[in-house]
Amino acid sequence: KQEVTQIPAALSVPEGENLVLNCSFTDSAIYNLQWFRQDPGKGLTSLLLIQSSQREQTSGRLNASLDKSSGRSTLYIAASQPGDSATYLCAVETGANNLFFGTGTRLTVIP
Amino acid sequence: EAGVAQSPRYKIIEKRQSVAFWCNPISGHATLYWYQQILGQGPKLLIQFQNNGVVDDSQLPKDRFSAERLKGVDSTLKIQPAKLEDSAVYLCASSLSPGRYEQYFGPGTRLTVT
Repeated sequence: KQEVTQIPAALSVPEGENLVLNCSFTDSAIYNLQWFRQDPGKGLTSLLLIQSSQREQTSGRLNASLDKSSGRSTLYIAASQPGDSATYLCAVETGANNLFFGTGTRLTVIP
Repeated sequence: EAGVAQSPRYKIIEKRQSVAFWCNPISGHATLYWYQQILGQGPKLLIQFQNNGVVDDSQLPKDRFSAERLKGVDSTLKIQPAKLEDSAVYLCASSLSPGRYEQYFGPGTRLTVT
């Protein structure tokens, strides 16, 4: 069964710092990997989707990489802002079209 | 483009009562998902529809949970009777089709069972 782990569980950084969030998964037979953002009391917002054949995706200050063979993905956030404070979830989609989520990293950016 | 709509946003019920949640996906999205997110955990898939057919309900507790998507658009998720451990946020998501397309999530319904 696919298991997704995110480290760290929580992270606090001062505004302006670059940071990296980590995601690992146990079964490399994935269809794609998505990074989501979740604000308190709200649903999930998709940030980046990386197909299994891709190595990375970029959107603005966000860059996500995927190393399928080692079962790892990273989300890099450049020049962090207080508005980036949220919980970041990664999820892998298997051939059965199921999304398996990690437990998330709660990010706090301190002004 | 309107997003995924869910109602109600919050619901408090006593154990053994029944409750229903409603979801309206993004127009044109054939695939609809219901997830359960317990506090401090990532969402867990309960059921996936492709149009009005069930693709995967392997993690749906069928003795108390049911879901339908009769016309291939809106969907309802029902719990009867509710247990304390059903307290969670229930998220609905939709996508154009399973696999290569992003899933778009609604705001969720926060259920508290007392």
